[in-house]
Amino acid sequence: GAVVSQHPSWVICKSGTSVKIECRSLDFQATTMFWYRQFPKQSLMLMATSNEGSKATYEQGVEKDKFLINHASLTLSTLTVTSAHPEDSSFYICSARDTSLTDTQYFGPGTRLTVL
Amino acid sequence: AQTVTQSQPEMSVQEAETVTLSCTYDTSESNYYLFWYKQPPSRQMILVIRQEAYKQQNATENRFSVNFQKAAKSFSLKISDSQLGDTAMYFCAFMKQGSNYQLIWGAGTKLIIKP
Repeated sequence: GAVVSQHPSWVICKSGTSVKIECRSLDFQATTMFWYRQFPKQSLMLMATSNEGSKATYEQGVEKDKFLINHASLTLSTLTVTSAHPEDSSFYICSARDTSLTDTQYFGPGTRLTVL
Repeated sequence: AQTVTQSQPEMSVQEAETVTLSCTYDTSESNYYLFWYKQPPSRQMILVIRQEAYKQQNATENRFSVNFQKAAKSFSLKISDSQLGDTAMYFCAFMKQGSNYQLIWGAGTKLIIKP
């Protein structure tokens, strides 16, 4: 099946620093990738939709200057959390849309971000 | 706007039993997809099964099958011969066909399989 990797799986950083999370589709091309945030015991909250070669579309309430998304190739999207604060601590998950399999989204394993 | 409702926050069954998870949705669209995803304790989201709305036949993947009732806007997941590895959060999701491909998520059902 389609595989999506995400790196790092766990990161701890100091308040005020920036953290980059990578999302890669390993065996398929993904024109569209999605970034989610998941709070404990809750469903996924869509943060933004990333299309290869164009600007990301952010959901209402998500600060685009804080959560920078780049989708420079058909297999890689990155999320950079800039000037991170403790309230940004969360579980971040990416997904990639496999257009060859009728638009099914496949998910990365997630990144646990802890901001001290 | 579309909504997805999972009315069972938590369920538990004995190993080898059959369990059905409920999902209802609200939409005015006629062309869409429905999905069940599983999130085990590892938190890796795994696709369990998908259903195209235009298909009348219920999707099946090994021990997993759905009961898709389009008129009733119901999409339940049946797990047969449940196994300990089926313990996970199960999320039902809706996607409008030809849209921006965003998934609309239910709140999830925590399924516990007891030995």
